[in-house]
Amino acid sequence: AQKVTQAQTEISVVEKEDVTLDCVYETRDTTYYLFWYKQPPSGELVFLIRRNSFDEQNEISGRYSWNFQKSTSSFNFTITASQVVDSAVYFCALTSRAGANNLFFGTGTRLTVIP
Amino acid sequence: DTEVTQTPKHLVMGMTNKKSLKCEQHMGHRAMYWYKQKAKKPPELMFVYSYEKLSINESVPSRFSPECPNSSLLNLHLHALQPEDSALYLCASSQDLKGGGVTDTQYFGPGTRLTVL
Repeated sequence: AQKVTQAQTEISVVEKEDVTLDCVYETRDTTYYLFWYKQPPSGELVFLIRRNSFDEQNEISGRYSWNFQKSTSSFNFTITASQVVDSAVYFCALTSRAGANNLFFGTGTRLTVIP
Repeated sequence: DTEVTQTPKHLVMGMTNKKSLKCEQHMGHRAMYWYKQKAKKPPELMFVYSYEKLSINESVPSRFSPECPNSSLLNLHLHALQPEDSALYLCASSQDLKGGGVTDTQYFGPGTRLTVL
């Protein structure tokens, strides 16, 4: 069974604070892919990152960083020095061959950055 | 250039109307998807087309009828919808579903906000 859990429903931070969005996943497949998408109020799902199960190297892209830990089945996302434009719903997602390559989404975390 | 376009942006229709949603991508992708997203929920997969053939239908009611005229275009024909069908309809595309070993990133369009009266 494929499952993604985002336990944080809503988070509010003050601008310039750091914030971490949690993602825990379940899959029996040994080969799988994890994603983060951002959905601003306009509605479009914006692709942020993709990680495969064989690559546990953490990644940094500007103010964004991702921490992938297979031992805890987690793929957390940190925004450093948050900005108002970061306000959005963030979805973590999982896909694998066992899941017929379907994209399984978590329930999303709504981030509000207060100026 | 990762761009998927969708028209219209907003659509209001009555329960007896027939309308269509359109999606287009020019990234050379061979897989295209329709998702339905209700407020405060994640997207739910409706249909998948792979190489212009319907490969997945997630038990969607027949009042939703997908069509893939060519590899760049995806339509969703709507007929006799119910108010509970009001939602954001998202189209996505990815490079290739074949081969088994590769799972490609899905790129999403801006969506069509549908209201059924």
